[in-house]
Amino acid sequence: EVQLVESGGGLVQPGRSLRLSCAASGFTFDDYAMHWVRQAPGKGLEWVSGISWNSGSIGYADSVKGRFTISRDNAKNSLYLQMNSLRAEDTALYYCAKAPAHTVTSNWFDPWGQGTLVTVSS
Amino acid sequence: DIQMTQSPSSLSASVGDRVTITCRASQSISSYLNWYQQKPGKAPKLLIYAASSLQSGVPSRFSGSGSGTDFTLTISSLQPEDFATYYCQQSYSTPPTFGPGTKVDIK
Repeated sequence: EVQLVESGGGLVQPGRSLRLSCAASGFTFDDYAMHWVRQAPGKGLEWVSGISWNSGSIGYADSVKGRFTISRDNAKNSLYLQMNSLRAEDTALYYCAKAPAHTVTSNWFDPWGQGTLVTVSS
Repeated sequence: DIQMTQSPSSLSASVGDRVTITCRASQSISSYLNWYQQKPGKAPKLLIYAASSLQSGVPSRFSGSGSGTDFTLTISSLQPEDFATYYCQQSYSTPPTFGPGTKVDIK
């Protein structure tokens, strides 16, 4: 069974940093692109970032470009999101999600993890 | 970025009803359209990919259609477990974008 388990969320002050992790199991991790998608409380879904199987292709939403960095460690079956210069508007539940292929484009997301909550507040 | 809209934003329906949700893209996206179901406190679940392909394990009462800019998700006979919020998502170009969601609740 494919499983994605996010961790690393919490309460952080504006301007500070946080690193999210996503542990993957049940599939050959380095065969697939991976993504982060977030959902602000009571709001809709927003794609944050995606990374190809070999980290050769990476994309970011404009809202996080220059502040967030996605990475992966295929040896550890893990996906990461380094979030710097956090803002109140980054407050959200952050999901990691698996792509259907090794490329980062033309993806749907399946499955999703249960999410990790990031709250940016002073 | 490609903008996605959905209609209606919410609807009330009864068990056994046929329900149709519409998604529209701001430009042609061919068949690069996916549908998700999200229940309160849960992660989204993929229902339909590539406009009309049913994801494995998803009941056949769910179906998708459309191409270009206009798409439809249909639930042929609404079941109690189908009360949820439904999102469309385009995968034609980066960034992938989602519609605002359609909440289906009990009449």
